[in-house]
Amino acid sequence: DTEVTQTPKHLVMGMTNKKSLKCEQHMGHRAMYWYKQKAKKPPELMFVYSYEKLSINESVPSRFSPECPNSSLLNLHLHALQPEDSALYLCASSQFVSEKLFFGSGTQLSVL
Amino acid sequence: EDQVTQSPEALRLQEGESSSLNCSYTVSGLRGLFWYRQDPGKGPEFLFTLYSAGEEKEKERLKATLTKKESFLHITAPKPEDSATYLCAVRIYNQGGKLIFGQGTELSVKP
Repeated sequence: DTEVTQTPKHLVMGMTNKKSLKCEQHMGHRAMYWYKQKAKKPPELMFVYSYEKLSINESVPSRFSPECPNSSLLNLHLHALQPEDSALYLCASSQFVSEKLFFGSGTQLSVL
Repeated sequence: EDQVTQSPEALRLQEGESSSLNCSYTVSGLRGLFWYRQDPGKGPEFLFTLYSAGEEKEKERLKATLTKKESFLHITAPKPEDSATYLCAVRIYNQGGKLIFGQGTELSVKP
């Protein structure tokens, strides 16, 4: 299994909602990542987890809250988002932080 | 400042018309250069990793090369299914899992 699975594929939420994005991999990778990508732009790093510990937080607003419950799962909790947060949210994993990344297909998020 | 620049921004080719995409970088210490392909609405798909100047990697119609200042992705006799955005990214020493991405080259191959 060489897949990174993200759910849901699409999400529409209001500015007062709370929702969560989920990511799962079964490749035994010890590093997992959240990226945000706007249309026609490259992915922007949000968070890096290494061995289930948060190792990089790229000054992301607190309305985004990551969680790594175990080595296979990564969540991104969303609360009080703004319309400008609408984007494709990508999860990725790698064997270690120095290795190539495998990306999921992403969650297309729209904030109304 | 660490920087990655891709050119051209967009490239239109006829099927069978070979060409090259460029990724130039200015970084403090290269720990790997990565090429990805991304289709609309999908996550990037890994193509190649290059670590040192002179290194080359090939996969089907694609060949990636690396010098001390830039990398090229050569596409030989492209087909319409090669149409996608090609992203270059670099990893730098002492920055953990962070990848610095270029802006991408949007490739369109017409039959």
